[in-house]
Amino acid sequence: QQPVQSPQAVILREGEDAVINCSSSKALYSVHWYRQKHGEAPVFLMILLKGGEQKGHEKISASFNEKKQQSSLYLTASQLSYSGTYFCGTRKANSGYALNFGKGTSLLVTP
Amino acid sequence: EAQVTQNPRYLITVTGKKLTVTCSQNMNHEYMSWYRQDPGLGLRQIYYSMNVEVTDKGDVPEGYKVSRKEKRNFPLILESPSPNQTSLYFCASSSGQGNTEAFFGQGTRLTVV
Repeated sequence: QQPVQSPQAVILREGEDAVINCSSSKALYSVHWYRQKHGEAPVFLMILLKGGEQKGHEKISASFNEKKQQSSLYLTASQLSYSGTYFCGTRKANSGYALNFGKGTSLLVTP
Repeated sequence: EAQVTQNPRYLITVTGKKLTVTCSQNMNHEYMSWYRQDPGLGLRQIYYSMNVEVTDKGDVPEGYKVSRKEKRNFPLILESPSPNQTSLYFCASSSGQGNTEAFFGQGTRLTVV
């Protein structure tokens, strides 16, 4: 039931762009994105709702393709502070409140 | 300050000795949940609660119990811990119907020997 994230890991130089993908085999109601730094709790980035509404971060954007049950997180002009593990969480349609997270994408931004 | 507080942060225990990890939030959130995080497996939901006295199983509920007697508290109970429950545990809360930002506690690292 976990959504599938890709890539598993990515290394960038500061200023480069990255895309992290999240896909599910089930119809989705919403997609949630979180970032976790080593040894810390996950921190909210963004929610994408069915129907196009987005709530979240100013400098990070994302898309949600409801038909394909896919979401992508776009990190542009990456900064050192973007390093961490990114998780997508998905809520299926008619599933109540269960939020299932993917295995994560490890992102390292180097100087 | 809005926060989710878990205790303890670190715990080493022996197989079979009952333990409780507490979770408390000060944001009057209806929705609370527990996750475990293991290397390579991401965050897996154990149990969640939509409000007082309303709880439901997540993906990996075996070996765990929860209760929601008060809105702010959502303790995780391991009646008879086993080594395969060694993990990093996170409690989270959010308002509304789960489509709002979730606030996570700082985590509890549990080792069962």
